[in-house]
Amino acid sequence: EPEVTQTPSHQVTQMGQEVILRCVPISNHLYFYWYRQILGQKVEFLVSFYNNEISEKSEIFDDQFSVERPDGSNFTLKIRSTKLEDSAMYFCASSIQGLGQPQHFGDGTRLSIL
Amino acid sequence: KQEVTQIPAALSVPEGENLVLNCSFTDSAIYNLQWFRQDPGKGLTSLLLIQSSQREQTSGRLNASLDKSSGRSTLYIAASQPGDSATYLCAVLTGGYQKVTFGIGTKLQVIP
Repeated sequence: EPEVTQTPSHQVTQMGQEVILRCVPISNHLYFYWYRQILGQKVEFLVSFYNNEISEKSEIFDDQFSVERPDGSNFTLKIRSTKLEDSAMYFCASSIQGLGQPQHFGDGTRLSIL
Repeated sequence: KQEVTQIPAALSVPEGENLVLNCSFTDSAIYNLQWFRQDPGKGLTSLLLIQSSQREQTSGRLNASLDKSSGRSTLYIAASQPGDSATYLCAVLTGGYQKVTFGIGTKLQVIP
């Protein structure tokens, strides 16, 4: 069964550095998402992306964050000037269509900011 | 602002028992509700998705119901097995475009 893949599985970065998290959504899916889960807390929506532009973003997704689909297969989340509180699991998801369709999640990238 | 609550936070049952997990949400204007399973260190596996116009969905031993007007959903697991041990998350899609709100989950342990 097709799946969403995320790399790396664990990223350790010094505070203040930039980090790029990578995702390969399911090939025929058109909608892409990023979520994060701080240890012990709820999964939180960050951003949704469709047709090469952001369709919705949460209040968490400020100027520190950006997303990009640099080619036909990858979907990336860039975090600039990382802070300690950015430490979390970051999940990528995709869906074949928008409203009403299930989102398929990757296994996540654990981001640790030192 | 949509809030999703799941009760209980944790549940431990002997193998073979039927069990019910509860989810409630504050804004009934939802598009759909999705139940996920999360294994430790893993991503989220979609179990069932209920559209706002539906009352329930079934998949194997799982049955999810939705009462949109009262802001509640239940996930029923029949004949529980040790392999069902995981955290179960409820998530609702409310307004906006694919903005999903999650509950914190119910951690289930099925004891052999």
